Amino acid sequence: AQSVSQHNHHVILSEAASLELGCNYSYGGTVNLFWYVQYPGQHLQLLLKYFSGDPLVKGIKGFEAEFIKSKFSFNLRKPSVQWSDTAEYFCAVNALRRSQGNLIFGKGTKLSVKP
Amino acid sequence: KAGVTQTPRYLIKTRGQQVTLSCSPISGHRSVSWYQQTPGQGLQFLFEYFSETQRNKGNFPGRFSGRQFSNSRSEMNVSTLELGDSALYLCASSPRGDSLNYGYTFGSGTRLTVV
Repeated sequence: AQSVSQHNHHVILSEAASLELGCNYSYGGTVNLFWYVQYPGQHLQLLLKYFSGDPLVKGIKGFEAEFIKSKFSFNLRKPSVQWSDTAEYFCAVNALRRSQGNLIFGKGTKLSVKP
Repeated sequence: KAGVTQTPRYLIKTRGQQVTLSCSPISGHRSVSWYQQTPGQGLQFLFEYFSETQRNKGNFPGRFSGRQFSNSRSEMNVSTLELGDSALYLCASSPRGDSLNYGYTFGSGTRLTVV
């Protein structure tokens, strides 16, 4: 069965620090990859997605992610975090047997940014 | 335009009762998916509907069911509620059948508490 691992449960950073959140998935075939963010009290929002092409994907709010197929990884990065980035971040995968709505989510990583 | 609307926002039910949750997708969206979010299990896929047909179902017992109406609005029903069904239930909509190519928009969820 497919699974998604997010290794860090809770990350605490100071403003301006660099961020990297790990995501690994278990599926040997072609995948679609996503990062979603849930700000406190708000709904899940799509940060970025990878379908094909350039493995370095840029998303909203200065986030980017790199797909490394050999490592089954899709890590999320941001060079300099802000207090407003405090949120929970979810990595998600869909195996491309069909492009229908069955996302497998990781357990999430809570990011706390200290002002 | 209006986002994905889920009603009610909060619900408290007693063990053994049943509950119906409602989701109105973004106007024009035809695909609706449901997810359960709990602290222990994270986000888990329940089912997906497109054009009133269930296309995909997650690994949940038969007590969990859903349907989609001709106007794309969707309902999910949980019968014989158990304490473990306490969760945030999220609905997500997408414009087309190949929902992942277009991405999901999530609603704010219905917080169900079973006592």
